[in-house]
Amino acid sequence: KQEVTQIPAALSVPEGENLVLNCSFTDSAIYNLQWFRQDPGKGLTSLLLIQSSQREQTSGRLNASLDKSSGRSTLYIAASQPGDSATYLCAVPKTQGGSEKLVFGKGTKLTVNP
Amino acid sequence: DVKVTQSSRYLVKRTGEKVFLECVQDMDHENMFWYRQDPGLGLRLIYFSYDVKMKEKGDIPEGYSVSREKKERFSLILESASTNQTSMYLCASSTMGTADGYTFGSGTRLTVV
Repeated sequence: KQEVTQIPAALSVPEGENLVLNCSFTDSAIYNLQWFRQDPGKGLTSLLLIQSSQREQTSGRLNASLDKSSGRSTLYIAASQPGDSATYLCAVPKTQGGSEKLVFGKGTKLTVNP
Repeated sequence: DVKVTQSSRYLVKRTGEKVFLECVQDMDHENMFWYRQDPGLGLRLIYFSYDVKMKEKGDIPEGYSVSREKKERFSLILESASTNQTSMYLCASSTMGTADGYTFGSGTRLTVV
């Protein structure tokens, strides 16, 4: 059974700090991993999608890495800003009976203080 | 820009009412999903569909049903709404094999009173 864990559950940092969010998964037989951002009361916005053949993906100040063998992914945020305050979720697809669904971690709530 | 559109941002319904939540995607995706999100419990899959008229139960299907008559539309139905179905409901879609990842809608906050 695939389980996804995100540590820490909450993180508060001063503006300008570089930070790392962690995601671990129990079944390493994944073919991609996706990071999402969720603002309060809103839907999920996709940030980065890493295919299993890749080790990292970058978008602006965000960099996500994937280590399948150890069952880990990290999301690195450089020079954090108050606008980065949100909940960050990671998710991996799981095949079930020939169909596929996404398994989520419970997220890391990030607060960036001005 | 590709989109998943949920028909309502906020809904307030009475206990016992039949409730329809609509989701439309414009990406020609085969897969569509309904999740609910509750504090401390994270996102939980209710139902999903990988083709028109096909549906599969997720982790918490009790009290819900779905309909997919057209590829672009996936409806979640609460046959008789109850207060424990007060939640944030999120719709998503993806291609087969999810090579492009999942796209989510903006969510529907449902309150059952």
